[in-house]
Amino acid sequence: QSALTQPRSVSGSPGQSVTISCTGTSSDVGGYKYVSWYQQHPGKAPKLMIYDVSKRPSGVPDRFSGSKSGNTASLTISGLQAEDEADYYCCSYAGSYTYWVFGGGTKLTVL
Amino acid sequence: QVQLQESGPGLERPSETLSLTCTVSGGSISDYYWSWIRQPPGKGLEWIGNIHYTGSTNYNPSLKSRVTISVDTSKNQFSLKLSSVTAADTAVYYCARGTTVMAPWDYWGQGTLVTVSS
Repeated sequence: QSALTQPRSVSGSPGQSVTISCTGTSSDVGGYKYVSWYQQHPGKAPKLMIYDVSKRPSGVPDRFSGSKSGNTASLTISGLQAEDEADYYCCSYAGSYTYWVFGGGTKLTVL
Repeated sequence: QVQLQESGPGLERPSETLSLTCTVSGGSISDYYWSWIRQPPGKGLEWIGNIHYTGSTNYNPSLKSRVTISVDTSKNQFSLKLSSVTAADTAVYYCARGTTVMAPWDYWGQGTLVTVSS
């Protein structure tokens, strides 16, 4: 069982927006600004999409955005495109004992 | 462009020690934190531990008793050893780079599948 809770799947049509939630506790998501999101296509390594809750690395489209409220972080993908179909994982810093915890992953299907 | 490449045996016997090496090219191993992250087939990601180029390490508490991560700056490599492996350790093992101990991983290796089976 993963430390962070994500929906197992979400779906949306091209052009629509979807939001993926990531729920933790005050010891991880709620306690730090170090929440990141990774996109993983089948057979590929994860790719960093969002870091520090809402920052985008260079090269990531601004269709991807992140936010946090309390113990829940969210990834929103607007203007869905076929290539967005992938698994998405959230990750949070959890202090200097546990360090890093992941969510179980969410499969995004573009209909 | 920084590139990471994992290498090591793809098959380990139960109770043996898994050993993997990550070679960093296109940049120096210095000034960064280097992590090992694994993913069992069809499952989610798990952080194993990291090492600073100075040799300082941090480990996942659930694996700490079995994990050793080391660095060889002269070869631009860092390594993972996981002892007493079982079938539950079967996974794709990734190496990845973080700019600080609390930074996300911006560069990843392609991953290498290690199967634990007799």
